[in-house]
Amino acid sequence: GAVVSQHPSRVICKSGTSVKIECRSLDFQATTMFWYRQFPKQSLMLMATSNEGSKATYEQGVEKDKFLINHASLTLSTLTVTSAHPEDSSFYICSAQSLAGGPGELFFGEGSRLTVL
Amino acid sequence: GNSVTQMEGPVTLSEEAFLTINCTYTATGYPSLFWYVQYPGEGLQLLLKATKADDKGSNKGFEATYRKETTSFHLEKGSVQVSDSAVYFCALGLNRDDKIIFGKGTRLHILP
Repeated sequence: GAVVSQHPSRVICKSGTSVKIECRSLDFQATTMFWYRQFPKQSLMLMATSNEGSKATYEQGVEKDKFLINHASLTLSTLTVTSAHPEDSSFYICSAQSLAGGPGELFFGEGSRLTVL
Repeated sequence: GNSVTQMEGPVTLSEEAFLTINCTYTATGYPSLFWYVQYPGEGLQLLLKATKADDKGSNKGFEATYRKETTSFHLEKGSVQVSDSAVYFCALGLNRDDKIIFGKGTRLHILP
């Protein structure tokens, strides 16, 4: 089946630094990728929708200047957490929608756990 | 608006027990319905789907039937295993490039 890879799977950084998380679709092209943040009680919050070659669409309450999303190609989207703070510590998950897939047929990355000290 | 409501967990069962996780939805239009599963420490995986009323999705012994009259998509399995312990998300999708809407997830614990 389709594979989405996230990197890094775990990252620890100091407060004030920036961290980049990559999301790659390995064997298919993804017009649309989604970024989620998962909170400790498992709730999945959609942060933004990124479409290849255009600006990301952010959900209400998500700071676009803090969570920079770039979708430069049909196989790669990146999330950069800028000036990270301890409250940004979380599990970030990306998903990708295949060009050939139907609505909701998303393929998820393994997730990236960010810990900000 | 569009939304998904699923039963709150955690749900704890003994191995070989029958499982039902309830999911209901509200939607404008005709959504596709999904169950995703998240095993510990991993991302989400599509478990099964149904794209129109009365369709039954099935995979790995799990089943769910798209019931338009009750706007439901309950997940069932006849005999659960310890390896089924995970978080299960019900979701709906409306349009090709639109975001899908997830329920809050139900954590399932299966005891040996």
